[in-house]
Amino acid sequence: EIVLTQSPATLSLSPGERATLSCRASQSVSSYLVWYQQKVGQAPRLLIYDAFDRATGIPARFSGSGSGTDFTLTISSLEAEDFAVYYCQQRRSWPLTFGGGTKVEIK
Amino acid sequence: EVQLVESGGGLAQPGGSLRLSCVASGFTFSRCAMSWVRQVPGRGLEWVSSISGSGSGIYYADSVKGRFAISRDNSKNTLYLQTDSLRAEDTAVYYCAKVLYYDILTGLFDYWGQGTLVTVSS
Repeated sequence: EIVLTQSPATLSLSPGERATLSCRASQSVSSYLVWYQQKVGQAPRLLIYDAFDRATGIPARFSGSGSGTDFTLTISSLEAEDFAVYYCQQRRSWPLTFGGGTKVEIK
Repeated sequence: EVQLVESGGGLAQPGGSLRLSCVASGFTFSRCAMSWVRQVPGRGLEWVSSISGSGSGIYYADSVKGRFAISRDNSKNTLYLQTDSLRAEDTAVYYCAKVLYYDILTGLFDYWGQGTLVTVSS
């Protein structure tokens, strides 16, 4: 099973700041890394797939990078609606696995 | 518009059973692999099971293998999860999720339902 480790667990930032979230895999997932956003009381929302492809309707301030074992989700300038929990997930092999999440909170 | 509506959650006793359903609309259901993902309230996401569009391909998480069974009825646009031998640690919100691509069984979910809560307690 591929273990995904997200860091930091919590990121305290102000609107307008840049957010950098990390996801590290215990073995290579190639580019098969997905990012989701989840707000309180809502289902997850697909943001980025296959490391850097933005899903339909996702603003350009969200970008993904990385390959192999190290991945980054960057939010270039935080807006109020971006404060949420972010999860990475690998689809390289079964079982599918998720990271533990990074909470982006308002400072 | 894609819609996924889960139902069937509720309170079950340890060792009991529940059958979860997810009714889909707004896309060609029979061509889409589907999955169940669960989340303990306040905790992270855990993949549970996936099934191909035809139903011929199925995967389970080790934590539910032998106790849960995923299935689908393409004539009814409905996905199911039969949960047997329930344990306290199965308590979670269960989401159904649709795969982004047609005709491929993979774990890339572009739409999720609102979830149905399963509580296992005596």
